[in-house]
Amino acid sequence: AQKVTQAQTEISVVEKEDVTLDCVYETRDTTYYLFWYKQPPSGELVFLIRRNSFDEQNEISGRYSWNFQKSTSSFNFTITASQVVDPAVYFCALSEAPGRDDKIIFGKGTRLHILP
Amino acid sequence: EAQVTQNPRYLITVTGKKLTVTCSQNMNHEYMSWYRQDPGLGLRQIYYSMNVEVTDKGDVPEGYKVSRKEKRNFPLILESPSPNQTSLYFCASSLIGGVETQYFGPGTRLLVL
Repeated sequence: AQKVTQAQTEISVVEKEDVTLDCVYETRDTTYYLFWYKQPPSGELVFLIRRNSFDEQNEISGRYSWNFQKSTSSFNFTITASQVVDPAVYFCALSEAPGRDDKIIFGKGTRLHILP
Repeated sequence: EAQVTQNPRYLITVTGKKLTVTCSQNMNHEYMSWYRQDPGLGLRQIYYSMNVEVTDKGDVPEGYKVSRKEKRNFPLILESPSPNQTSLYFCASSLIGGVETQYFGPGTRLLVL
C-alpha cells in the first residue's frame, strides 16, 4: 500500500540558515508521482513541485531544491537561506498508478518555524 | 480567474443535521477531490471523482457522500454529521487525474456540536 512519511513534525531554524524537510514514501508501482505543497499560516494550499518516478534529476527553483532518490524512496526538500516568508506546513504527497487508482496520499506535514 | 470555490467557508452545526458543502471549479478539470485536515493527521482524502458520474472512495469515506452530476461541481454531503467530523475540509481539482497538480479551494472549517 502507498504511504508517505514525514518524520519531522516540526522544525525550527534561524533565519538565513538552510533547512531540509524529509519525505519517505512507499509504493508498489514503478510509475508514480510525488508532490510538495506549502500551507502558509493563511491556510491555503500552494503547489510547489511535481515529479514523476522516471525523472530522478534534482530540481532547483530559486531558494528551493528537491532531491529525489529512488534507491532510498525519498523526495527531500531543501530551503536555502530561509526567510520570514517560509514559515508554513509543508506536505509531501504521492499518487500512483495513473489512470488505475487515482488516490492521493499526503504525509502528515512538517511545520517550519523561522527564528529571527 | 482560474479557481476552486467552496461554500460555506465556516459552518457550525449540530449532530445529525444534514449539511452540504459545495465545491465548484472553472478550469474544466476532470478530477475533483475532497480532503479533510486534522491536527497531527495531515490531509486525508475522503472521495475523489475522475469525471462526471464517476466517484470513488479515498482513505476516509465513512460518514460522507458525494455526487458529480456536472463537471464543475463536486458537493460533499454529510447526511448525519457527528462531532468527529469537525475538521477543515478542502476541495481540489486537477486536469485529468491524481497524478496532476491539485488546485485547492480555500477550505471550509466545520464544527459539529
